[in-house]
Amino acid sequence: GENVEQHPSTLSVQEGDSAVIKCTYSDSASNYFPWYKQELGKRPQLIIDIRSNVGEKKDQRIAVTLNKTAKHFSLHITETQPEDSAVYFCAATAFGNEKLTFGTGTRLTIIP
Amino acid sequence: KAGVTQTPRYLIKTRGQQVTLSCSPISGHRSVSWYQQTPGQGLQFLFEYFSETQRNKGNFPGRFSGRQFSNSRSEMNVSTLELGDSALYLCASRPTGPNTEAFFGQGTRLTVV
Repeated sequence: GENVEQHPSTLSVQEGDSAVIKCTYSDSASNYFPWYKQELGKRPQLIIDIRSNVGEKKDQRIAVTLNKTAKHFSLHITETQPEDSAVYFCAATAFGNEKLTFGTGTRLTIIP
Repeated sequence: KAGVTQTPRYLIKTRGQQVTLSCSPISGHRSVSWYQQTPGQGLQFLFEYFSETQRNKGNFPGRFSGRQFSNSRSEMNVSTLELGDSALYLCASRPTGPNTEAFFGQGTRLTVV
């Protein structure tokens, strides 16, 4: 089955700097890669996703890149703000398979 | 539109007991998945139901079971509880179609003592 590895497990960055979280997946059939943000005590919420037919997607300060050959994808957050502090999860799934396999999460702390 | 609702929010059970958790998906969503969240382990997939049928199952022992009703509401049952079952149990519903967003409930915090 699919296996998703996520690094780093914790990340601290100065406010205004950029943060990068990386994930690798094992199943070459995976073609959908969402990222979820979970604030303390709250439910995970989708922040951005990418499908395998594109290499990059941006939404304001957030971007995701995908390298299908290397089977890895990354989340980039620019101009970080205190409200970006949360746990971020990457996930992967194959077309037609409703099972989302998640990474173990990255706790991002923005230092004011 | 109401979000995904899970009940109860908190549970304390004793080892050996059984527990049933409930999840009401967003109206119109027929896919419901369950995840176990523990510190350091992320979100581990338990199972997924669609139109009352289990379509996917994760690597959990048979003590973990679930079902889905005709109104798409789902329940998850854990029998013979162990201390290691203490976790946040999240359910998520998805609209029909490939690669759709999963909407999570607030979760049920289960503590086994």
